[in-house]
Amino acid sequence: SAVISQKPSRDICQRGTSLTIQCQVDSQVTMMFWYRQQPGQSLTLIATANQGSEATYESGFVIDKFPISRPNLTFSTLTVSNMSPEDSSIYLCSVFDRTTNTEAFFGQGTRLTVV
Amino acid sequence: AQSVAQPEDQVNVAEGNPLTVKCTYSVSGNPYLFWYVQYPNRGLQFLLKYITGDNLVKGSYGFEAEFNKSQTSFHLKKPSALVSDSALYFCAVRAPSGNTGKLIFGQGTTLQVKP
Repeated sequence: SAVISQKPSRDICQRGTSLTIQCQVDSQVTMMFWYRQQPGQSLTLIATANQGSEATYESGFVIDKFPISRPNLTFSTLTVSNMSPEDSSIYLCSVFDRTTNTEAFFGQGTRLTVV
Repeated sequence: AQSVAQPEDQVNVAEGNPLTVKCTYSVSGNPYLFWYVQYPNRGLQFLLKYITGDNLVKGSYGFEAEFNKSQTSFHLKKPSALVSDSALYFCAVRAPSGNTGKLIFGQGTTLQVKP
């Protein structure tokens, strides 16, 4: 398994501002994933963050809106830029099990409300 | 396109009765299959997985799931439900080819276990 710490756990932000979410893992991992869970909906992958290279974004998500940093093998940040109420969601960081590389583990999530 | 379907938004069972939460998928090849549970204001917790081998897999908290390749299904089951099992359950698939690591989630099923 993996221990994943996300900060902040929740925040209320004004529209037009940006929020940076941090994800810290207790072991070195190659890939880190950022997901979004909109209210009452399922999880959707935003992007995959690899250390030493640009993040890979899924269709519908762009770097200008969701810039990602991956400075080392245990840490990543996701920024939600120029926020609007539609960005109100839970954002979750995820990594694969270091041993099996099959199942994913998730942080507790960051509950973002944009007003 | 790859997809996961959970046909029931909510499943209601009485405590002590068996439960089934349904999941079907549409993914090429031999996907990895997973079940996750989400308690209120919590992140996702991994329950179990199917990679290969026996069609019946056992996981955490007494849950099990049955893989049926011909029906492309991976239903979650538990012989005797507990009130504490009440939560939101997600089925997810991961296509092994390409090893992008992307998980595709179903829309989730709320399990309500009544005393």
